[in-house]
Amino acid sequence: DIQMTQSPASLSASLGETVTIQCQASEDIYSGLAWYQQKPGKSPQLLIYGASSLQDGVPSRFSGSGSGTQYSLKISSMQTEDEGVYFCQQGLKYPFTFGSGTKLEIK
Amino acid sequence: QVQLKESGPGLVQPSQTLSLTCTVSGFSLTSYSVHWVRQHSGKSLEWMGRMWSDGDTSYNSAFTSRLSISRDTSKSQVFLKMNSLQTEDTGTYYCARGKGWFAYWGQGTLVTVSS
Repeated sequence: DIQMTQSPASLSASLGETVTIQCQASEDIYSGLAWYQQKPGKSPQLLIYGASSLQDGVPSRFSGSGSGTQYSLKISSMQTEDEGVYFCQQGLKYPFTFGSGTKLEIK
Repeated sequence: QVQLKESGPGLVQPSQTLSLTCTVSGFSLTSYSVHWVRQHSGKSLEWMGRMWSDGDTSYNSAFTSRLSISRDTSKSQVFLKMNSLQTEDTGTYYCARGKGWFAYWGQGTLVTVSS
């Protein structure tokens, strides 16, 4: 199985700050990567797919980049509503696998 | 609009079988795949398996021996059955629509395995 290593496990950011979350795959996943946001008691929400494509309705302050085994999610200006847990997921090979999550809080 | 909704028992006894239903609306099961994903109490997510639009299935080998996914297209429902449940199977079970990633998710159903 492809292992997804996500970092950091948690971070806090001030309003307006730029935030970056990293995700490393155990093998090349050829941009087959998605990012999700999950809020307490809610289902995950797709933010980014194909490593860098923004899902419809997601604010443009979210962006994804990367290739090969290294990927990142950037929030260009932290807002209060961005608090939550973020997960990466590889969708290239079965079984699909997720990162362990990054808990993002407002400082 | 696209909707998925999971239903099933909230409590299952150890060694028993879990049966969940995912009822979808706003799309046809013969056009889109539906997946099952579970989450242990706010922790990471685990992909369990997939019902393809053509009726074929794919499973995570971690569950293969005890997991079965089926469907009833006339009722727009996808079913999950997993036997020999243990306490570590406690968690929230989601159905979701997608190919390599999931743009649509159900609300999730919490399953507790306990005697």
